Amino acid sequence: KAGVTQTPRYLIKTRGQQVTLSCSPISGHRSVSWYQQTPGQGLQFLFEYFSETQRNKGNFPGRFSGRQFSNSRSEMNVSTLELGDSALYLCASRPEYQETQYFGPGTRLLVL
Amino acid sequence: GEDVEQSLFLSVREGDSSVINCTYTDSSSTYLYWYKQEPGAGLQLLTYIFSNMDMKQDQRLTVLLNKKDKHLSLRIADTQTGDSAIYFCAALSGASGGSYIPTFGRGTSLIVHP
Repeated sequence: KAGVTQTPRYLIKTRGQQVTLSCSPISGHRSVSWYQQTPGQGLQFLFEYFSETQRNKGNFPGRFSGRQFSNSRSEMNVSTLELGDSALYLCASRPEYQETQYFGPGTRLLVL
Repeated sequence: GEDVEQSLFLSVREGDSSVINCTYTDSSSTYLYWYKQEPGAGLQLLTYIFSNMDMKQDQRLTVLLNKKDKHLSLRIADTQTGDSAIYFCAALSGASGGSYIPTFGRGTSLIVHP
């Protein structure tokens, strides 16, 4: 099976812009989670989606949003970008009834 | 909430064994994981252990779990330069119910010297 894929892999934006990141889970996986990884804060949970519904949300401002489509693909959106949003954004998918998740390669976002 | 702690760096010589340690705070943690992250890449699931196990071995990897002390370790036998990476410990709290939100440590950078 193909692994989790994320697009784009690299992105440069300027402050105030918005960005949309995409994640395609492993085939058959219905749960998709998003994480932000920075050197200062480490790996922080953003949100989890399952069957197009957001099940959990981390402690991030409302500028961070996401959605999941009927084919389990997920997008996350960050509006009004700030310099501090520069990070590696990781997506992970999980099969139903299993307690292991598999990560994609990430999207590296640089905000100038 | 759950807190997961790891030392930041570990340096070993090629061919030696590496032991990476992790402590967690939530005694109801059900699953404990080890992930590996190479430069520019995502996290690769190496292995995991369920809380009712003390040890799990998978080729060169041995995971030891001490539930009493809430201590998890990952031993890599015959460490190679290709093992140089950041290793993350993660714990899934049993109190999370239907949620799946593992807590990650800050990662241990393993440096393997030839």
